[in-house]
Amino acid sequence: DTAVSQTPKYLVTQMGNDKSIKCEQNLGHDTMYWYKQDSKKFLKIMFSYNNKELIINETVPNRFSPKSPDKAHLNLHINSLELGDSAVYFCASSSAATNYGYTFGSGTRLTVV
Amino acid sequence: GESVGLHLPTLSVQEGDNSIINCAYSNSASDYFIWYKQESGKGPQFIIDIRSNMDKRQGQRVTVLLNKTVKHLSLQIAATQPGDSAVYFCAEKNAGNMLTFGGGTRLMVKP
Repeated sequence: DTAVSQTPKYLVTQMGNDKSIKCEQNLGHDTMYWYKQDSKKFLKIMFSYNNKELIINETVPNRFSPKSPDKAHLNLHINSLELGDSAVYFCASSSAATNYGYTFGSGTRLTVV
Repeated sequence: GESVGLHLPTLSVQEGDNSIINCAYSNSASDYFIWYKQESGKGPQFIIDIRSNMDKRQGQRVTVLLNKTVKHLSLQIAATQPGDSAVYFCAEKNAGNMLTFGGGTRLMVKP
């Protein structure tokens, strides 16, 4: 069983569209994250979320919003997509038991045309 | 620490040689550090970790060294193999239990 799964793996869409990326973890972790990886491979935190607290990186545009229907899911919704949103987006999860070391999903490559 | 470079540093080694990948971190209060390996088309995978009360930790073919005085972390890979070719990231745990990643180093293993 995949520990952290993201869908879709690839997403090609036009500017101005709204899209969502889904993430599910079956590890029983209490904290989930979204990271953006640019073309230079730099990993930048976007959100950290557990059932008590959402921490938002202040540099993330408010067109991006995390949605968590339950502890095992953290979806990423993006409004009014722009060319600069093209990147690979990674979901990750962690818990106190792992000293908050992350388990990552396999990524979603988003291409905005 | 965060990368300020404009390109991904690359380390090229011969198969069988030892590799050393270096990382400078930014926060002297960080208490936990991790090395991740990212292969093409995949997410980063945990390799080895170290707490700030240690200066060395060994795994299978990998060793992490921590120098808190100069805020430096290194990953040593013994007898490097083609399967070690990947991008390697160091990460430090900050307050709020988030990881901040370094800029990454691409390791290329020549057969």
